[in-house]
Parts: sequence; C-alpha cells; structure tokens
Amino acid sequence: LAKTTQPISMDSYEGQEVNITCSHNNIATNDYITWYQQFPSQGPRFIIQGYKTKVTNEVASLFIPADRKSSTLSLPRVSLSDTAVYYCLVEEGSNDYKLSFGAGTTVTVRA
Amino acid sequence: GAVVSQHPSRVICKSGTSVKIECRSLDFQATTMFWYRQFPKQSLMLMATSNEGSKATYEQGVEKDKFLINHASLTLSTLTVTSAHPEDSSFYICSTPRGGAGGYTFGSGTRLTVV
Repeated sequence: LAKTTQPISMDSYEGQEVNITCSHNNIATNDYITWYQQFPSQGPRFIIQGYKTKVTNEVASLFIPADRKSSTLSLPRVSLSDTAVYYCLVEEGSNDYKLSFGAGTTVTVRA
Repeated sequence: GAVVSQHPSRVICKSGTSVKIECRSLDFQATTMFWYRQFPKQSLMLMATSNEGSKATYEQGVEKDKFLINHASLTLSTLTVTSAHPEDSSFYICSTPRGGAGGYTFGSGTRLTVV
C-alpha cells in the first residue's frame, strides 16, 4: 500500500483558494490518486480522482506532476461549508483494493 | 449514481445485545463491500471485506465472530455487532467501488452507542 503524507490541518477564509498537497513517494504505475471529503458524523464523499497532469470537475482541481510522487487538491473560493477533513488516497484500479486512510487534513474555513 | 444507503444512522443498544447495520446499493450492483470503523477524532480503519456469495475476510485484530458480515445479494451487505460492549461504540461505515467512475462510494455511517 502506498503511504500518503498530508498536512494535519489548514486554516483559510471564505472566498480563498485552498491547496492541499499530498506526498505519495511510493506510488505504483497502476495507482490512481483520489481525494475524499468527510464531514463530522458522515461517510467520506468522493471529490476527484486523477492519474497524471490535471483533472478538474465542478468541485475541485487535482494537479499531479510528471513524477506522480505528490498531488495537490485545489478548492477554489471556499465557503464555511467546505470545513471538513480531506483525505488523499492512492488506489489501484481493482475492485477489491483495500483503501488505507491516513489522518487526513482538517480544513477549517473562517468567515 | 453509485449511491449506498446505510441504516440505521444511529443506534443505542444495551450491553450484550446485537445490532445489525445494513448497506444497500441503490442503483448498481455492489460485488464487494468494505466495512470501516472510525473512533472520534481518528481516521477510518478497515475492518473487513465482503464479496457477494462468499465469506468475508477480516483485518488483523478484528473478531469475525463478533462482527458478522453477510453479503447474500449484490445489493445488500450487513454487519452485525454481536454481544455488543461499550468499547464497540463507534462510527461504522460501509463502502464499495464506484466502478467505471473511479474511486469508492461510502454509506452515510452508523453511530453505534452501547450502554
């Protein structure tokens, strides 16, 4: 299992862009990078997944450099409701792949 | 798409009783279901993996006779906490692959409190 490292916490203000960088030095060729968001007392929610370069959806962008040893989740113009724990995971493409959750990054958005 | 419905959202039970948690895939077939446990201020810890029609595989340190998992159909997986004790109080979450969409979808979680 590829181990990931991300900051424990980040603070931001409404309207700002939040960038969370995750390190995954041992990522394998078949691995994807996926980010999840979790609010208190809820299950995690899929945000975005990528393999290389840049991926963008209606919620976030994911930047992955050529060596794929790190990735950055970018949340544009955050609001108070974006306060949550964000997890970076490395996943194989198989359906029986066991996810290994790290501590995640607690993002706190202030008014 | 790829929605997993988990029930109940919260349950309080007495020590020694059993509690069943259900996870249903609403618009797709969930061949594999993962069960996690999350203690306050901690991350998710994988407990077991269930595959439809076969026995679940448990992670090291998880008692299979205490946490019974049934995955009898492609749309329903259940976790039964047997003879619950206060130390079993936790947040239990199920998850299954989203298939072609990539990533995993999670249930909304079950807050179990054993008194």
